Amino acid sequence: AQKITQTQPGMFVQEKEAVTLDCTYDTSDPSYGLFWYKQPSSGEMIFLIYQGSYDQQNATEGRYSLNFQKARKSANLVISASQLGDSAMYFCAMRRHTGNQFYFGTGTSLTVIP
Amino acid sequence: GAGVSQSPSNKVTEKGKDVELRCDPISGHTALYWYRQSLGQGLEFLIYFQGNSAPDKSGLPSDRFSAERTGGSVSTLTIQRTQQEDSAVYLCASSFRLAGTDTQYFGPGTRLTVL
Repeated sequence: AQKITQTQPGMFVQEKEAVTLDCTYDTSDPSYGLFWYKQPSSGEMIFLIYQGSYDQQNATEGRYSLNFQKARKSANLVISASQLGDSAMYFCAMRRHTGNQFYFGTGTSLTVIP
Repeated sequence: GAGVSQSPSNKVTEKGKDVELRCDPISGHTALYWYRQSLGQGLEFLIYFQGNSAPDKSGLPSDRFSAERTGGSVSTLTIQRTQQEDSAVYLCASSFRLAGTDTQYFGPGTRLTVL
């Protein structure tokens, strides 16, 4: 069975500091994709970053980077230079490349402190 | 279109009534997903449409839930004889399913409250 685990229900970070949000996953499939989404209080899910299981390098998108450790089955999101607007729920998700379903974690609530 | 749209944004109904929730995906996206998000929880997969293929209904929680996608575009999620436990935000997402990434783009959701 596929499973996504986010062990940090809530995180706090000082503005301009970096923060790491943890995500581990469990799958027996060799080919899969990992995603991070941001959900602000408005409720809309915003795509942040993608990592393929065969990608050799960690994905980066602006201030977002994904620390992908395949052997450990972890895909942590790193947000650099946190901004007040980063305060939101963050969800990690996975999809097998042969399947239809996305599997989401329970999310981490990030609060950026001025 | 600019993005995925959903209507209504909020729906309050009485227990036992039927409701229809609508999703307009991004133009050209072949894949469409429905999810349910209960308060403080992650997303629960409900159903998936891909082109003209038979939908993947494996996530539908009961036979009171059904969905259709007309003309490969607009989708409607129907909940019959609503129950209080159906109260949640229903999110729709679409993607242009390329091999590998299949990044989903989400709509703003419909908040359903069953009294």
